[in-house]
Amino acid sequence: SQTIHQWPATLVQPVGSPLSLECTVEGTSNPNLYWYRQAAGRGLQLLFYSVGIGQISSEVPQNLSASRPQDRQFILSSKKLLLSDSGFYLCAWSVGQGVDTQYFGPGTRLTVL
Amino acid sequence: GQNIDQPTEMTATEGAIVQINCTYQTSGFNGLFWYQQHAGEAPTFLSYNVLDGLEEKGRFSSFLSRSKGYSYLLLKELQMKDSASYLCAVRTPHGLSGGSYIPTFGRGTSLIVHP
Repeated sequence: SQTIHQWPATLVQPVGSPLSLECTVEGTSNPNLYWYRQAAGRGLQLLFYSVGIGQISSEVPQNLSASRPQDRQFILSSKKLLLSDSGFYLCAWSVGQGVDTQYFGPGTRLTVL
Repeated sequence: GQNIDQPTEMTATEGAIVQINCTYQTSGFNGLFWYQQHAGEAPTFLSYNVLDGLEEKGRFSSFLSRSKGYSYLLLKELQMKDSASYLCAVRTPHGLSGGSYIPTFGRGTSLIVHP
């Protein structure tokens, strides 16, 4: 069966510090991968998605970036965090065809102070 | 742009039936999802509709009318554990060519079930 991991589970970072969140998927090959952010009281906002290694599509022009160095690894980064980057970051995967249901990881709660 | 509307909050009694509505106005449509999200946890898949009509899965059912841009999630025999946020998501085109269909999420409906 497929599983998706995210770490860390929680993170408290000062403004201006860098960020690296990691997501890995097991039990499937060539998944579509996604990064979402959920701010308090708001819906899930799509940040990035990837249909293959090295292929990243950005949805929002912010101080965030994403990379996919391996087939089942997706990394979200920032060089300098802003207060507005606080939120619940969710990684998801899908098979990329058919119904293409997304399955979400446990999430990372990021607080920028 | 994409617009997906859901009520912010609903309350219901244990054992009752509740209907959560979702209306959407999107540039493109390729299916609608409902997810359940408990506080502090990740969303989990409940249902998917791409054709008009009702899909039933145990205590949960989901309905879609594409011509009206409307869906609802029906929860029967409510239990306390059904207290959660319910997210409506519409698959809409993304990317420069619009060739990728990815769910765009509404803000979610917080359902509170009381004894």
